[in-house]
Amino acid sequence: AQSVSQHNHHVILSEAASLELGCNYSYGGTVNLFWYVQYPGQHLQLLLKYFSGDPLVKGIKGFEAEFIKSKFSFNLRKPSVQWSDTAEYFCAVKGQAGTALIFGKGTTLSVSS
Amino acid sequence: DAGVIQSPRHEVTEMGQEVTLRCKPISGHDYLFWYRQTMMRGLELLIYFNNNVPIDDSGMPEDRFSAKMPNASFSTLKIQPSEPRDSAVYFCASSPSGGFGTDTQYFGPGTRLTVL
Repeated sequence: AQSVSQHNHHVILSEAASLELGCNYSYGGTVNLFWYVQYPGQHLQLLLKYFSGDPLVKGIKGFEAEFIKSKFSFNLRKPSVQWSDTAEYFCAVKGQAGTALIFGKGTTLSVSS
Repeated sequence: DAGVIQSPRHEVTEMGQEVTLRCKPISGHDYLFWYRQTMMRGLELLIYFNNNVPIDDSGMPEDRFSAKMPNASFSTLKIQPSEPRDSAVYFCASSPSGGFGTDTQYFGPGTRLTVL
């Protein structure tokens, strides 16, 4: 069965600090990988996604993620966070055999100004 | 496009009552998903539909939960009778047909359910 593990439950950073959120998945086949963000009081929005090709994926708002197949990882990065990045971040995986997303438990990011 | 629409946004009810959550997917999307979000379990897929037909309902927790999609623009998730442990945020999402496995899911704002 597919599963997604997000290493950090809550991350606290100051503005301008660099961010890396870990995500590991377990699935034996080809996967599609996603990062979603949920700002306070809002619904989930897609940050970025990986389907194939260049393993370094760039998303909105300066976020990027790198797919490392050998490590079953899809870590999210941002070189300099802003207060407005305060949100909950979810990693998700979808095997090509099905259409359902499997989500990690989420990481809450708090950025202080 | 207005995006995925869910109603109500908040629902407070008493244990034993019937609760009906509603979802209108993005027009033209062939897939509709219902998720539940709790602190303990995170985001869980409950059920999803393709062209109004339920495909996988293995995530539906109990017989108290049921979901229908009578047409392409409307779906309901019903809990009868409701229990306090059903308190959660329920999200609906939709995605278009197309390259298999490559579609992005678009989420609605969610319904925050509180069962007293």
